[in-house]
Amino acid sequence: GAGVSQSPSNKVTEKGKDVELRCDPISGHTALYWYRQSLGQGLEFLIYFQGNSAPDKSGLPSDRFSAERTGGSVSTLTIQRTQQEDSAVYLCASSYEDTIYFGEGSWLTVV
Amino acid sequence: GQQLNQSPQSMFIQEGEDVSMNCTSSSIFNTWLWYKQDPGEGPVLLIALYKAGELTSNGRLTAQFGITRKDSFLNISASIPSDVGIYFCAGHLKAAGNKLTFGGGTRVLVKP
Repeated sequence: GAGVSQSPSNKVTEKGKDVELRCDPISGHTALYWYRQSLGQGLEFLIYFQGNSAPDKSGLPSDRFSAERTGGSVSTLTIQRTQQEDSAVYLCASSYEDTIYFGEGSWLTVV
Repeated sequence: GQQLNQSPQSMFIQEGEDVSMNCTSSSIFNTWLWYKQDPGEGPVLLIALYKAGELTSNGRLTAQFGITRKDSFLNISASIPSDVGIYFCAGHLKAAGNKLTFGGGTRVLVKP
């Protein structure tokens, strides 16, 4: 597609449930990023994928968070046993070289 | 780790005014990017800067990549109501794993 596509756009889940967030990067982009943004805050790096290299997971806040990227394209961010503090917008971005484009985000609310 | 200080944190604008915001870093970047985020949306890329000293314009927006590679500014000329939003600077350093480091954002609001 023309831009980075994320789904779902909105998700309300009960505390303790697992959620999966999906990202379709721009076609041909080799790098894929996940960021988290809490209400009114800046962007917090979570994880970065580049081609076939091992992902940079240094931003994942706990072992409840994991992400994978299949076939060098689509990525899924999984949050297990969700907590209320996980409520945020999760932004995916992709890039070919140095210019990075964001999706619209997946707005997660944990109740 | 790298940190970006973005200022001001917020500002009020009156239609027609010029506005300016900047970011400074404790270390160098290869690329500086400026994004705007409207409520309920993801950040949208405004300007990308790839070379120290580079000055780039995009309509009423002008941004510069500081010569030291540790700072950048964004100017908006003749502001209009739709300029309201949150502006983020971001630095990109290949040697640091390619992740973007973001400033805290500048919230641009309309003067009451």
